[in-house]
Amino acid sequence: AQSVSQHNHHVILSEAASLELGCNYSYGGTVNLFWYVQYPGQHLQLLLKYFSGDPLVKGIKGFEAEFIKSKFSFNLRKPSVQWSDTAEYFCAVNALGNTGFQKLVFGTGTRLLVSP
Amino acid sequence: GAVVSQHPSRVICKSGTSVKIECRSLDFQATTMFWYRQFPKKSLMLMATSNEGSKATYEQGVEKDKFLINHASLTLSTLTVTSAHPEDSSFYICSARAGFGADTQYFGPGTRLTVL
Repeated sequence: AQSVSQHNHHVILSEAASLELGCNYSYGGTVNLFWYVQYPGQHLQLLLKYFSGDPLVKGIKGFEAEFIKSKFSFNLRKPSVQWSDTAEYFCAVNALGNTGFQKLVFGTGTRLLVSP
Repeated sequence: GAVVSQHPSRVICKSGTSVKIECRSLDFQATTMFWYRQFPKKSLMLMATSNEGSKATYEQGVEKDKFLINHASLTLSTLTVTSAHPEDSSFYICSARAGFGADTQYFGPGTRLTVL
């Protein structure tokens, strides 16, 4: 079965520090990869996505992620975080489910706290 | 664009009653809608996928008679939790997708269900 692992459950950083959140997936077929963010009290929002092409994907708010096929990874990065980046981050892979439909499989999430 | 709403945002009900949650795509037509359940400190778990005009497809382990899904139009899907019990208390989130395959899902703000 497809699965997504996010190794860091909680990350605490100071403002201006660099961020890298790990994401590894388990799926043998063609994948589409996503990072979603959930700010406190808000709904899930798409940060960025990878479907094909350049494996380095740039998203909103200065985030980027790199798809490394050989490592089954799609790590999220930001060179300098801000207090407003405090949120929970979810990695997800779009894969063919056992129902025959495409479905998103989510990681367990990483809670990021940025201290001012 | 791509806004998804859910109603109600919060509901408290007595054990044994049924609760209906609505999910609407406000500015696009959703060929497919998804219902997820999010447990505290855990990831989103897909419950079912529904395509407009057809029966929902449920994930393994999800009781279709307990969680009734109706996707009667391209902008509305409903989830009815029948004969709710305290163990059904959770955060229910819907998402909507405009196209098939790898198109992005847009998420609603979620509904917090508490069953007393």
